[in-house]
Amino acid sequence: EVQLVESGGGLVQPGGSLRLSCAASGFTFSDHFMDWVRQAPGKGLEWVGRTRNKANSYTTEYAASVKGRFTISRDDSKNSLYLQMNSLKTEDTAVYYCARVSSGSYSFDSWGQGTLVTVSS
Amino acid sequence: DIQMTQSPSSLSASVGDRVTITCRASQGISSSLAWFQQRPGKAPKSLIYAASSLQSGVPSKFSGSGSGTDFTLTISSLQPEDFATYYCQQYSSYPLTFGGGTKVEIK
Repeated sequence: EVQLVESGGGLVQPGGSLRLSCAASGFTFSDHFMDWVRQAPGKGLEWVGRTRNKANSYTTEYAASVKGRFTISRDDSKNSLYLQMNSLKTEDTAVYYCARVSSGSYSFDSWGQGTLVTVSS
Repeated sequence: DIQMTQSPSSLSASVGDRVTITCRASQGISSSLAWFQQRPGKAPKSLIYAASSLQSGVPSKFSGSGSGTDFTLTISSLQPEDFATYYCQQYSSYPLTFGGGTKVEIK
């Protein structure tokens, strides 16, 4: 069974940093692209970014709203995905989900339960 | 960026009703369209990919259609567990973008 478990959320002041983790199990993590998606309180879903797999040189893509502030990385030896968030703003307050990208269709096929990040003074 | 517009933003329906939600892309995306269900307080669940293909384990009461710019999600017979918010998403080009959501409520 595919499992994605996010951790690392919490309260941080504006301008601060936080690192989220997503622990994967039940599948060959190294084969898949992996994404982060967020959802502000009471709002819709917003794509944050993607890391491709080793075969695609671990290249990344980002939403304009986070580019230059957020960095997505992965450690295939630990079956883990990361989101390093710097220069946080109040508008980054959201539940952050990791999502697995299907190798066949390139759509999301599994999601984690999410971790809440609150940016507030 | 490709804008995804869902309609309606909310609807009220009864158990057993057939419900259709539409999603329009601001430019052609071929069949690179997915649908997700999100129950209150829960993570999204993937329902459909490639506009009309069901994810593994998703009941056949859900169906999707369309290509290019216009897409639909149909739920053939609403059950209590189907009352949720539904989102479409294009994955044709970056940035990936979602529709604003359609909240399906009990009448």
